[in-house]
Amino acid sequence: NAGVMQNPRHLVRRRGQEARLRCSPMKGHSHVYWYRQLPEEGLKFMVYLQKENIIDESGMPKERFSAEFPKEGPSILRIQQVVRGDSAAYFCASSPRQTPQETQYFGPGTRLLVL
Amino acid sequence: AQSVTQLGSHVSVSEGALVLLRCNYSSSVPPYLFWYVQYPNQGLQLLLKYTSAATLVKGINGFEAEFKKSETSFHLTKPSAHMSDAAEYFCAVRQETSGSRLTFGEGTQLTVNP
Repeated sequence: NAGVMQNPRHLVRRRGQEARLRCSPMKGHSHVYWYRQLPEEGLKFMVYLQKENIIDESGMPKERFSAEFPKEGPSILRIQQVVRGDSAAYFCASSPRQTPQETQYFGPGTRLLVL
Repeated sequence: AQSVTQLGSHVSVSEGALVLLRCNYSSSVPPYLFWYVQYPNQGLQLLLKYTSAATLVKGINGFEAEFKKSETSFHLTKPSAHMSDAAEYFCAVRQETSGSRLTFGEGTQLTVNP
């Protein structure tokens, strides 16, 4: 059973460009979570999605950020008009159920660098 | 609201020595607690988790943690450090009323000296 897959692993963008980060959950997992890790900090929750639904986006910046998890295909985190402060590692996690004791399995992350 | 505090952003031990990484939580309801390890340029791997079944939890790679409600702590220990234990360790909390999110501490970087 392959783990959570994320691509690209590294992404370089210039200010003002768009960044698209992809996440394929583990097989059988229908719950996806995105977290952001700024340099020298812990992970901060951004958004929780199930297939075709955004369940909790309370951690998402109000502007420029969006996420989706379509019926077919990976989950996408989209950042429009990137700024230097968006430089961070973005991690996706998945779980088979949404219960508090359920383990979230993390992907290797996408490291975004904005020049 | 829930939060996690990890005391000591950097911990250094000698190979073979005891590893103790501290985690204190703040939660208004019984929490679920997790320890994850992150190796350089990799994702997070679950070491162990507390889900109220037993206060002493054993995890992978010889790590264990004890939930102490009176001290609101969930410290991570390993009797004898190995060079391969060098990594960053994150404590996280989740509770019934917070929905799906994990709330992470700031992390502790563990260095193991030969």
